[in-house]
Amino acid sequence: EVQLVESGGGLVQPGESLRLSCAASGFIVSSNYMNWVRQAPGKGLEWVSMIYSSGTTYYADSVKGRFTISRDNSKNTLYLQMNSLRAEDTAVYYCAREGASTVGRFDPWGQGTLVTVSS
Amino acid sequence: QLVLTQSPSASASLGASVKLTCTLSSGHSSYAIAWHQQQPEKGPRFLMKLNSDGSHSKGDGIPDRFSGSSSGAERSLTISSLQSEDEADYYCQTWDTGIRVFGGGTKLTVL
Repeated sequence: EVQLVESGGGLVQPGESLRLSCAASGFIVSSNYMNWVRQAPGKGLEWVSMIYSSGTTYYADSVKGRFTISRDNSKNTLYLQMNSLRAEDTAVYYCAREGASTVGRFDPWGQGTLVTVSS
Repeated sequence: QLVLTQSPSASASLGASVKLTCTLSSGHSSYAIAWHQQQPEKGPRFLMKLNSDGSHSKGDGIPDRFSGSSSGAERSLTISSLQSEDEADYYCQTWDTGIRVFGGGTKLTVL
């Protein structure tokens, strides 16, 4: 079964760091495009970052310079390192696969992990 | 700038049909989009990828009640024979090199 499971969320103070993980099963992370998408409480979906199968990475302007997307091929896992966290980064963070040959198709999505940034 | 515009809300009766629309920003009318459904307290689910010519490919297990169509810069999702479980938020999404964009979402209420 093709599946994504996020972990690593929690409560942190402004300025602190957190690393999210997205463990994949049923497919190879490095052969696909992978994305992080977040949803602030009561708000819509916001694209955060992506990594191509080539390893090229892209970020939304709102997180550029603070967040880093990466993957561990041996663990078939995607990561999002979040530094200098702000209150406005509070959200549920989802990872999603986007096939390199099916660009634009986010499928599947993970169940999400909640990040709360508050003092 | 690549932007998707959706109406914030829509409603329709149980068993009826509803058409949700997503509009691409000026200069981007040839772009394909994807539709995603998010039921209450759940993660999003891919529904379909919709091309500018109206052709579409659905996700696994998506019922035939869900269909897509295109006209100019508008991309539409039609849900027929509405069921209670169709009450959800619906997001359109598009892409370009190095960027992915979501619409603001439409909250569908089934009456």
